[in-house]
Amino acid sequence: KAGVTQTPRYLIKTRGQQVTLSCSPISGHRSVSWYQQTPGQGLQFLFEYFSETQRNKGNFPGRFSGRQFSNSRSEMNVSTLELGDSALYLCASSLGTGLSYNEQFFGPGTRLTVL
Amino acid sequence: SQKIEQNSEALNIQEGKTATLTCNYTNYSPAYLQWYRQDPGRGPVFLLLIRENEKEKRKERLKVTFDTTLKQSLFHITASQPADSATYLCALGYNTDKLIFGTGTRLQVFP
Repeated sequence: KAGVTQTPRYLIKTRGQQVTLSCSPISGHRSVSWYQQTPGQGLQFLFEYFSETQRNKGNFPGRFSGRQFSNSRSEMNVSTLELGDSALYLCASSLGTGLSYNEQFFGPGTRLTVL
Repeated sequence: SQKIEQNSEALNIQEGKTATLTCNYTNYSPAYLQWYRQDPGRGPVFLLLIRENEKEKRKERLKVTFDTTLKQSLFHITASQPADSATYLCALGYNTDKLIFGTGTRLQVFP
């Protein structure tokens, strides 16, 4: 079974631009979560989608948004990029909803650099 | 707010020894506690999950303990190998939908 895939793997943008990241979960997985990982803050939860509905949201500004499609693929969008948005963005999928007790399968991440 | 503490300093041990990593938390005890391994440039990989009513969980060379009185989980790797070198993350699970990750501890196993 193919793992979680994320595209693109690397991205360089400038301040003020917007960016869209894509995530394809493991086949059969309906829950997709997004995380931001930085050296100082570690893994910070952005949001979780299940069956095209956002079920959970972390403490990030409204510039961060996402959606999930009927095939469970998900996209994350960041508008008006800031330097502090430079990070590794990780997507994770799981069989069912319930982040606390379900094994999360992570993708390789998208490394975003904002100049 | 909940705070998770994992040793920010790297843990260096010799091959064959047992590595012990610590995950301490404040305030509320989680219902679940997960451990992940992360290699450079890759996403975390799930290792073990332990529930609040379980004291210990084992999987091959891995062992996790969970002490809600001490508010601490210990993660042990016995007979460690250089291939075990990675960053290990603990994650606390609350209710059903909340998973909070620690910043991780880097383990270096040298021959």
